[in-house]
Amino acid sequence: KNQVEQSPQSLIILEGKNCTLQCNYTVSPFSNLRWYKQDTGRGPVSLTIMTFSENTKSNGRYTATLDADTKQSSLHITASQLSDSASYICVVSLPYGNNRLAFGKGNQVVVIP
Amino acid sequence: DTGVSQDPRHKITKRGQNVTFRCDPISEHNRLYWYRQTLGQGPEFLTYFQNEAQLEKSRLLSDRFSAERPKGSFSTLEIQRTEQGDSAMYLCASSVTGGAGGYTFGSGTRLTVV
Repeated sequence: KNQVEQSPQSLIILEGKNCTLQCNYTVSPFSNLRWYKQDTGRGPVSLTIMTFSENTKSNGRYTATLDADTKQSSLHITASQLSDSASYICVVSLPYGNNRLAFGKGNQVVVIP
Repeated sequence: DTGVSQDPRHKITKRGQNVTFRCDPISEHNRLYWYRQTLGQGPEFLTYFQNEAQLEKSRLLSDRFSAERPKGSFSTLEIQRTEQGDSAMYLCASSVTGGAGGYTFGSGTRLTVV
């Protein structure tokens, strides 16, 4: 079973609308949880990084939340833009001292005008 | 410093040929990672280096794959006798030891084996 599960697998939203992406993980303990944005054919770009003691972190129109008790994280996109069309990957840093990461498969977001 | 650089961006090769990819990490990052990503999936760990030492290799890294980081700076990933199943995006990332913040990916090398 994958250590990081994301939902929905894909979604289509209208430009200007908000959306929330979900991430459930089983890794415990962990050192940090990250959300990355990956445009098609490009490498992932970091959006937010949260340690296990943080509940929320914002980066512009992106807001990530973390509930360490339920092992859930979410990424909220406010006032979506066409450029938000991408895959959003939830990544948990494993606590093994080698800085290894466990990746979700990503939420594929398509913003339409 | 312009981040993590990977070369080439795209590579098309015939089955059975050898290919080599290069990754130049952020200069002050001592750790370097290679990942493979197929369509619709998250990146899968292949191997990582701390300085010039290759500390871990995934079982995904078959005998046809070899990675080096001879001087602790840039790294190369070679695939020998390529197979169609090797077609994927190969991502490189770098970080500092215990890098809770700075874990940076390159743009990847897209390999297509025909």
